[in-house]
Amino acid sequence: RKEVEQDPGPFNVPEGATVAFNCTYSNSASQSFFWYRQDCRKEPKLLMSVYSSGNEDGRFTAQLNRASQYISLLIRDSKLSDSATYLCVAMPGDSWGKLQFGAGTQVVVTP
Amino acid sequence: NAGVTQTPKFQVLKTGQSMTLQCAQDMNHNSMYWYRQDPGMGLRLIYYSASEGTTDKGEVPNGYNVSRLNKREFSLRLESAAPSQTSVYFCASLGQRSSYEQYFGPGTRLTVT
Repeated sequence: RKEVEQDPGPFNVPEGATVAFNCTYSNSASQSFFWYRQDCRKEPKLLMSVYSSGNEDGRFTAQLNRASQYISLLIRDSKLSDSATYLCVAMPGDSWGKLQFGAGTQVVVTP
Repeated sequence: NAGVTQTPKFQVLKTGQSMTLQCAQDMNHNSMYWYRQDPGMGLRLIYYSASEGTTDKGEVPNGYNVSRLNKREFSLRLESAAPSQTSVYFCASLGQRSSYEQYFGPGTRLTVT
């Protein structure tokens, strides 16, 4: 079983709509969580960190549910430029720097 | 700053050939990583180096070797390439312990025939 699981999608979203998706992690010792964005055939880039209290960065909101071991990402007012694959990432507390990546959720924003 | 650079960008090898993938970062980061990315699998850690002079195995180290030549450079070597090593390889670096952002290079697309 993968440490971090994601729905591969694609999530087809009309421009201006809201889309949300989750990922689950299996290692209860994971301490830190992140969302990375990866454009087609490019390198991943950090989108945002995920804090226990939830956090927002512009149109993006991330939530962490430790009890159920899942992380969510919500994108409001979707733009065409939001089309990408979103990678859910967990880092165990005893393995600083060794990130565990999900396989990614593809989002396609359509005009 | 160039960030993290990788060479080559593309490579085709025949089974049994060897090659070295080069990675360099100019951000004065201590930790460096090599990942491979396959469809449906996500990024998997091959080897990492927490600091200059140290290297450790990741999730999928078999068939690979690494060298942390200095603080800037971290190379990945395939001694005898196999078709199963066809993948996209990413190098990444990580700076201070207060930051968890890994910076990735542009990737090397390797095909082994």
